[in-house]
Amino acid sequence: GAVVSQHPSRVICKSGTSVKIECRSLDFQATTMFWYRQFPKQSLMLMATSNEGSKATYEQGVEKDKFLINHASLTLSTLTVTSAHPEDSSFYICSASNPGRAYGYTFGSGTRLTVV
Amino acid sequence: AQSVAQPEDQVNVAEGNPLTVKCTYSVSGNPYLFWYVQYPNRGLQFLLKYITGDNLVKGSYGFEAEFNKSQTSFHLKKPSALVSDSALYFCALNTGTASKLTFGTGTRLQVTL
Repeated sequence: GAVVSQHPSRVICKSGTSVKIECRSLDFQATTMFWYRQFPKQSLMLMATSNEGSKATYEQGVEKDKFLINHASLTLSTLTVTSAHPEDSSFYICSASNPGRAYGYTFGSGTRLTVV
Repeated sequence: AQSVAQPEDQVNVAEGNPLTVKCTYSVSGNPYLFWYVQYPNRGLQFLLKYITGDNLVKGSYGFEAEFNKSQTSFHLKKPSALVSDSALYFCALNTGTASKLTFGTGTRLQVTL
């Protein structure tokens, strides 16, 4: 079946540093990937949509200079949280559109980011 | 604009009893509807989807959902709940291939012995 690998699963970083989260589609090519943020006991908030080889489309209110998204290949998208602050602590989840499955999406297992 | 509503923050049910997790939606055009389950500190796992065809959709782990166009609903059901079904359930909607999903706020299902 379709698998999306997200790494790391947990990361703790100091304020002011940058953190990169990777999202890989292991057995299919994902032309479109989505990045979500989830606060405790809340729903998923779409941050941005990334298409391979082009700039990501950010949702309103999401700082594109703070949350850098790169989708350089059909199997890899990265989210870099720059100059992280404690308020960036959250659960981040990626999702890949799987063209092999009609209207299918496969989600990564998520990354718990804690900024101290 | 499209939206998804899950009116219940939490649903409690005894093991062996049937369960229903409610979802209603609003969209212009034909909806494509999904249910996902999330366990603590995990990503979302696909349960089932409705694209077209039969209104009753059967999915993973014995779950099913019924698409009701007149009531704009897509409630998730299972005839006999298990303790292991306890998790957070999300209903989601989109209107086309590879388009972004709009999620409901989630419903926590608690199944007790």
